[in-house]
Amino acid sequence: QQQVKQSPQSLIVQKGGISIINCAYENTAFDYFPWYQQFPGKGPALLIAIRPDVSEKKEGRFTISFNKSAKQFSLHIMDSQPGDSATYFCAASKNTGGFKTIFGAGTRLFVKA
Amino acid sequence: GAVVSQHPSRVICKSGTSVKIECRSLDFQATTMFWYRQFPKQSLMLMATSNEGSKATYEQGVEKDKFLINHASLTLSTLTVTSAHPEDSSFYICSARDRLSPLHFGNGTRLTVT
Repeated sequence: QQQVKQSPQSLIVQKGGISIINCAYENTAFDYFPWYQQFPGKGPALLIAIRPDVSEKKEGRFTISFNKSAKQFSLHIMDSQPGDSATYFCAASKNTGGFKTIFGAGTRLFVKA
Repeated sequence: GAVVSQHPSRVICKSGTSVKIECRSLDFQATTMFWYRQFPKQSLMLMATSNEGSKATYEQGVEKDKFLINHASLTLSTLTVTSAHPEDSSFYICSARDRLSPLHFGNGTRLTVT
């Protein structure tokens, strides 16, 4: 019930293409769904986040799509750039019970120049 | 944006010694701090949750006597790896939040035990 399943494990995209990463959760008590970007040797950095009362959120080239009934959410990176090459983690948390955040397994994105 | 500072970024120690890692929230008061461990090419594994002024809550399988966590103030938490062994070598990352903010991470500490 606490799991967040993320796919694909790795992704190669051409420069200018769209990168799509998918996540699914089980616990309907989760009420906050962030995406983190991590470069090698660095800590994760918050990229964008969404709450379940919204079906889509866009910030620049990054968009989260959220399907509450299917318990799925996805990250779309438009016009992917080589600088976007990193590991991306989806996550889920609830603002009660210690705010524990559960992370997906991560997706290693490589954008080819 | 919120800044979490973690120190040191890298540390090499000999087997049997103890190592302390500091995590500071620089521009907000962190009511809760979390400590994670990350193995190469893997996700973040939550080790423990600490709330200011109270004992840390450890995840199942994490030895509390091995990984001592102190959250002495609203801006500082420390993780001490006691009697370190080579298998404790890993990337340790702290994160912090207050009641209103999302989770913000430090830049991690690469621990190598020789």
